[in-house]
Amino acid sequence: EAQVTQNPRYLITVTGKKLTVTCSQNMNHEYMSWYRQDPGLGLRQIYYSMNVEVTDKGDVPEGYKVSRKEKRNFPLILESPSPNQTSLYFCASSPAGGVATEAFFGQGTRLTVV
Amino acid sequence: AQTVTQSQPEMSVQEAETVTLSCTYDTSESNYYLFWYKQPPSRQMILVIRQEAYKQQNATENRFSVNFQKAAKSFSLKISDSQLGDTAMYFCASRYMNRDDKIIFGKGTRLHILP
Repeated sequence: EAQVTQNPRYLITVTGKKLTVTCSQNMNHEYMSWYRQDPGLGLRQIYYSMNVEVTDKGDVPEGYKVSRKEKRNFPLILESPSPNQTSLYFCASSPAGGVATEAFFGQGTRLTVV
Repeated sequence: AQTVTQSQPEMSVQEAETVTLSCTYDTSESNYYLFWYKQPPSRQMILVIRQEAYKQQNATENRFSVNFQKAAKSFSLKISDSQLGDTAMYFCASRYMNRDDKIIFGKGTRLHILP
């Protein structure tokens, strides 16, 4: 089954404790991205990747890191989480290179930083 | 800057009625796609309908259809014969076939279908 898998789905952590949210897709998509969803703000892009070893900042990259060592995986790293990073996070993937189809989303990760 | 605007934060309609969700977008690009996504309480993002900008014909998927007005940069979603399962947050989104393939989302419309 074609899917984007995020883990964990729920996470409560303390300020400053490094964490990683994993994202994996099995559709051989080049394009992957991370979004955060906050009430009244919709989905805002954090980082995106056009292919392996190619990443770039989205609209709200501060406080986040990503890596793309393999085509299927695109982890989101919070080196020192803060309460303002409490949010719902989505990973998404799609074909790239001018084939602008819809994005396929993971199930979401509800992160709470206390 | 490319933007997507949903002017209705929240709406309620009775079951079986027809409802229209509004969306406008702003771009100078000529080649792009528009989408409506549904997010039910499960939080999953589900594609409802897709429209290619170069196609004049409005997209339709069962009870869901769009009114795409390219010159006005408007992309509204019509839900016919609404059902309780249509209760969800709906996001309008645009995607441009350019250098970064970015998808831009509106802030969403929360739709309640009342029994």
